[in-house]
Amino acid sequence: SQQGEEDPQALSIQEGENATMNCSYKTSINNLQWYRQNSGRGLVHLILIRSNEREKHSGRLRVTLDTSKKSSSLLITASRAADTASYFCATPRHSGSARQLTFGSGTQLTVLP
Amino acid sequence: NAGVTQTPKFRVLKTGQSMTLLCAQDMNHEYMYWYRQDPGMGLRLIHYSVGEGTTAKGEVPDGYNVSRLKKQNFLLGLESAAPSQTSVYFCASRDVGQETQYFGPGTRLLVL
Repeated sequence: SQQGEEDPQALSIQEGENATMNCSYKTSINNLQWYRQNSGRGLVHLILIRSNEREKHSGRLRVTLDTSKKSSSLLITASRAADTASYFCATPRHSGSARQLTFGSGTQLTVLP
Repeated sequence: NAGVTQTPKFRVLKTGQSMTLLCAQDMNHEYMYWYRQDPGMGLRLIHYSVGEGTTAKGEVPDGYNVSRLKKQNFLLGLESAAPSQTSVYFCASRDVGQETQYFGPGTRLLVL
């Protein structure tokens, strides 16, 4: 089964609105990553948050991590049409090891102009 | 730098045929990975390599073989293709001490 699961599966918003995606995972982790995948392309790394961090920012991205609830959220502020993509969270497959990543099934974000 | 490249981009196979997918990276990364992505699902790890000459099984290795004869290349082989192997295949690489994986553009495979 997938370690990380994103919610919602699909999200449609208007340009300029904020988009929030959630990820839940099952086992203890030392970090969590978010990736973006544009249609027909490979995944691109967005941001990594470590287990001792609660929040991290990168441009219009804000990621939170709640290790007690085993969940993370990705917030994209002031969304643009170019943000239309699938977003995946990824966690180390084995606790303490970053050799393998387990990806969730993704959130498909559509930003309408 | 080209980053991670994959060939071919698209291929159609008949059941029972064999083929090799090539992944190449020019970032001198030690770790390389092969994933498959099916509709509505995340990526699933097929095989990976922690260095030249080494390979290991991932989550869904059955029906696939890999080789890492050169550090920059990671080959994924299908000896006898099955319709269940219709998927999009992604290669990724990672540097030692880093956790970010860099992905190729993918190979779309259709097995009839």
